[in-house]
Amino acid sequence: GAVVSQHPSWVICKSGTSVKIECRSLDFQATTMFWYRQFPKQSLMLMATSNEGSKATYEQGVEKDKFLINHASLTLSTLTVTSAHPEDSSFYICSPGPGREAFFGQGTRLTVV
Amino acid sequence: QKEVEQDPGPLSVPEGAIVSLNCTYSNSAFQYFMWYRQYSRKGPELLMYTYSSGNKEDGRFTAQVDKSSKYISLFIRDSQPSDSATYLCAMSVNTGNQFYFGTGTSLTVIP
Repeated sequence: GAVVSQHPSWVICKSGTSVKIECRSLDFQATTMFWYRQFPKQSLMLMATSNEGSKATYEQGVEKDKFLINHASLTLSTLTVTSAHPEDSSFYICSPGPGREAFFGQGTRLTVV
Repeated sequence: QKEVEQDPGPLSVPEGAIVSLNCTYSNSAFQYFMWYRQYSRKGPELLMYTYSSGNKEDGRFTAQVDKSSKYISLFIRDSQPSDSATYLCAMSVNTGNQFYFGTGTSLTVIP
């Protein structure tokens, strides 16, 4: 069964606005959350790793000021896409770790118009 | 060179056929190998999880890992229309590490 709940499942927003995506671990405490992005017909690519109580680590080429990650509790990690632009339209998905990295949230389809 | 290579397809087979999906990789440190099924606009669903080399079978699905060749496969027996989806391979060096994904193979099973 699902170990992490992600929402919203889809969102449409205007260019320049911010969007927050939440991932909640359902019955365990997640000290780590991996955030991936998937563009059409491409692989899932790791964007950043959030760590409870400390700063997230970002992959090369991912703007940390644009993709704000907060992991304030052991059951909730959030990704906020700030000042979204059409090129940010993608499928964003989280995965908990360690030990539960094999499972993913339902994903969030973001469309920026 | 990409960490993981996967033929994107599309692959179209008749119902009941045996499907073979494959990935190759370059990092010999990978130890954990996963296959996921992803339906359109949904998150990946874990199908098989294998550690190191060898075979693993679960119902109609069989996963094979050949570390010497850096090659993994997923076989689907008696394929069904409900198996139509994109299949992603993924691998990791260790638990707690990030996954590296293939691009996914689009499969259609025709009734």
